[in-house]
Amino acid sequence: GAVVSQHPSWVICKSGTSVKIECRSLDFQATTMFWYRQFPKQSLMLMATSNEGSKATYEQGVEKDKFLINHASLTLSTLTVTSAHPEDSSFYICSANPWEGQVPTGELFFGEGSRLTVL
Amino acid sequence: AQKITQTQPGMFVQEKEAVTLDCTYDTSDQSYGLFWYKQPSSGEMIFLIYQGSYDEQNATEGRYSLNFQKARKSANLVISASQLGDSAMYFCAMREGLIQGAQKLVFGQGTRLTINP
Repeated sequence: GAVVSQHPSWVICKSGTSVKIECRSLDFQATTMFWYRQFPKQSLMLMATSNEGSKATYEQGVEKDKFLINHASLTLSTLTVTSAHPEDSSFYICSANPWEGQVPTGELFFGEGSRLTVL
Repeated sequence: AQKITQTQPGMFVQEKEAVTLDCTYDTSDQSYGLFWYKQPSSGEMIFLIYQGSYDEQNATEGRYSLNFQKARKSANLVISASQLGDSAMYFCAMREGLIQGAQKLVFGQGTRLTINP
């Protein structure tokens, strides 16, 4: 089946630095990918929709200058947390849509997630 | 307004018993999809089952079945013959519309299921 891969799976960084997380669709092309954030013991909250070849669409309350999204190819989207602070520590997980061009009838695929800890 | 509601923060079940995890949803769309995902402590999201709004029969996948009651807007997950490995967080999610490419999901709060030996 379709696979979505995220890297790194965990990262620790100092406050004020930037961190990049990659999301790749391994065996299908995705013009659209989604980035979610999950705080401990909470649900997944959609941050933004990554669109290949155009600007990302951010959900209300998500700072686009803080969370930079680049969807440079049909198999890769990156999320960069700029000037990270401890409150940005969270689990970030991406999703890609294998149903592009079709009526969706099933599973949507998630990456393994990236756990960010900002010291 | 909350679109997906899971009212059970935690559930404790004896091994081999069946368990039902509740999920209600709210949408004005006629076309939508409902999903259940399992999230173990590792964090990965494991797809369990999918129900489309036009599907007339309840979805089933092995030990998982989805009790879809459209009029009541509920999509409960039933796990038969529970196993210790079923202990995890379970999320109900909804995708609205049939717009191709717009596959973003809205998640419920989750239910933490613990299977006791």
